[in-house]
Amino acid sequence: DQQVKQNSPSLSVQEGRISILNCDYTNSMFDYFLWYKKYPAEGPTFLISISSIKDKNEDGRFTVFLNKSAKHLSLHIVPSQPGDSAVYFCAASASTGANNLFFGTGTRLTVIP
Amino acid sequence: NAGVTQTPKFQVLKTGQSMTLQCAQDMNHNSMYWYRQDPGMGLRLIYYSASEGTTDKGEVPNGYNVSRLNKREFSLRLESAAPSQTSVYFCASSSSMRYGYTFGSGTRLTVV
Repeated sequence: DQQVKQNSPSLSVQEGRISILNCDYTNSMFDYFLWYKKYPAEGPTFLISISSIKDKNEDGRFTVFLNKSAKHLSLHIVPSQPGDSAVYFCAASASTGANNLFFGTGTRLTVIP
Repeated sequence: NAGVTQTPKFQVLKTGQSMTLQCAQDMNHNSMYWYRQDPGMGLRLIYYSASEGTTDKGEVPNGYNVSRLNKREFSLRLESAAPSQTSVYFCASSSSMRYGYTFGSGTRLTVV
């Protein structure tokens, strides 16, 4: 059973506008959340993370929001750039236990020039 | 600054053949992982090694074995390949969840 879900397989956004990628999780033991970006024929690269003690973390154009009560997180990219076109994976881990990452199925973002 | 290196990048096997996927990291990370990526399934954990000398099963370990040869190297072996093992395999390493995992560039395996 998928513990981390990304229900939108794809998203298209105009250059300069905001991209919002969503992620839901089911395991209440998850306390650390990460976003990865993946280009074709490359491995995923770490983008931004957030601990469950926070509800927002910002790094340049990227902001991650966490809503623990809804078991939902989102990644905002502002402004979106054509180079942001990639597949984005949401991932989560629980610090109690093996601390492994569980990944969502990914959202393909296309930023249109 | 190599990071995580995987070999080979591509491989075609016949059903029943065996092979070993190699992974090495130069970041002095304690933990190493093997994932597979399939369309519509995301990345799923096959095996992991929390430290040198230890290995544990992940979500989808059947049909695979692993060896943590030393702190740098973590190999994945398919003893008798099956078409269901056609996938892209990623090795990763980490020191702290705060910085996430560092992934290799992947091995695209096709079993015919």
